[in-house]
Amino acid sequence: EAQVTQNPRYLITVTGKKLTVTCSQNMNHEYMSWYRQDPGLGLRQIYYSMNVEVTDKGDVPEGYKVSRKEKRNFPLILESPSPNQTSLYFCASSPAQGRGSNEQFFGPGTRLTVL
Amino acid sequence: DQQVKQNSPSLSVQEGRISILNCDYTNSMFDYFLWYKKYPAEGPTFLISISSIKDKNEDGRFTVFLNKSAKHLSLHIVPSQPGDSAVYFCAASEGGYSTLTFGKGTMLLVSP
Repeated sequence: EAQVTQNPRYLITVTGKKLTVTCSQNMNHEYMSWYRQDPGLGLRQIYYSMNVEVTDKGDVPEGYKVSRKEKRNFPLILESPSPNQTSLYFCASSPAQGRGSNEQFFGPGTRLTVL
Repeated sequence: DQQVKQNSPSLSVQEGRISILNCDYTNSMFDYFLWYKKYPAEGPTFLISISSIKDKNEDGRFTVFLNKSAKHLSLHIVPSQPGDSAVYFCAASEGGYSTLTFGKGTMLLVSP
């Protein structure tokens, strides 16, 4: 089954404790992206990657890091989480160009709470 | 500056009636537009899209209309069903690349 998986689905942590949210897709997509969803603000892009070893900042990259060492994985790293990073996070993927390139597949979401 | 705007945070419609969700954009370089649907505790799922070379696209009960001169698009759902109750996001992209700019979403409630 074609899918984007994220782990963990729920996480409660404390300020300053480094964490990683994993994202994996099995569709051989070049493009992967991370979004956060906050009430009244919709979906905002954090980082994206057009292919392996190619990453770029989205609209709200501060406080986050990503890496793209393999095509299928795109982890989101919070080196020193703060309460304002409490949010619902989504990973998404799509072909980079051509047919279907705009129709991103989303993962189920990770709800993060930073105390 | 918000490039994709959904000015109605919520919309309530009776089952069987038409639901019309609106979206405005400011970036004239956008040439591809999409609607996503999101249920609670799930990720957004792609619903329907339209290229800027068209002004209408239909898929079953869902139709998207694009008015380029007004920089406005709308999603029509006819007839609306209770299972359509969800948050709907409008999104746009430019130049055939994958990066999407999303609106803030409109919560649709379809009552029986």
